[in-house]
Amino acid sequence: QQQVKQSPQSLIVQKGGISIINCAYENTAFDYFPWYQQFPGKGPALLIAIRPDVSEKKEGRFTISFNKSAKQFSLHIMDSQPGDSATYFCAATNGGSNYKLTFGKGTLLTVNP
Amino acid sequence: DAGVIQSPRHEVTEMGQEVTLRCKPISGHNSLFWYRQTMMRGLELLIYFNNNVPIDDSGMPEDRFSAKMPNASFSTLKIQPSEPRDSAVYFCASSPQSVRPQHFGDGTRLSIL
Repeated sequence: QQQVKQSPQSLIVQKGGISIINCAYENTAFDYFPWYQQFPGKGPALLIAIRPDVSEKKEGRFTISFNKSAKQFSLHIMDSQPGDSATYFCAATNGGSNYKLTFGKGTLLTVNP
Repeated sequence: DAGVIQSPRHEVTEMGQEVTLRCKPISGHNSLFWYRQTMMRGLELLIYFNNNVPIDDSGMPEDRFSAKMPNASFSTLKIQPSEPRDSAVYFCASSPQSVRPQHFGDGTRLSIL
């Protein structure tokens, strides 16, 4: 019930391409869905987040698409750059225990020059 | 602004030894989180403090693990006695409110031989 399933495990994209990472959840009480970016040797850093009352949120080259009925959300990175190479984690939490982020297992993104 | 500061960055010790990890949260943040990251299990919440009080320690693996937050600017995670299976990267995070957003430190890479 608390799981967040993330795919793919790894992704290789050419510079300028679109990177797409998908997540699915079971718990319908989840009401906050952040994405974190982690570089080697660093802690995860909040990238972008969405609530289920909107279907899409865009910040620069990063977009979250949210499908409430399918219980799925995805991260799209437009015009992917080598500097975007990192591990990306989706997460979710619910208002009842709003501190307890449930993380996906992560996607290692490599953007080739 | 200084971020979350963790020390040490790396720790290598022998099985059975006591290990103490330290965290200084961002000034003004009243929530503090300890996470453990492994390849197998991903990011797991170990314990959550709010206003220096432990609120949820259900993620602490066993009695060998303990955490304290004696004041708003300092927290420790202690493992005694340590075991090889405790080897992981341990992250501390803080936030101005319970979850949104959580700011992570750069972690302590712990190796128990």
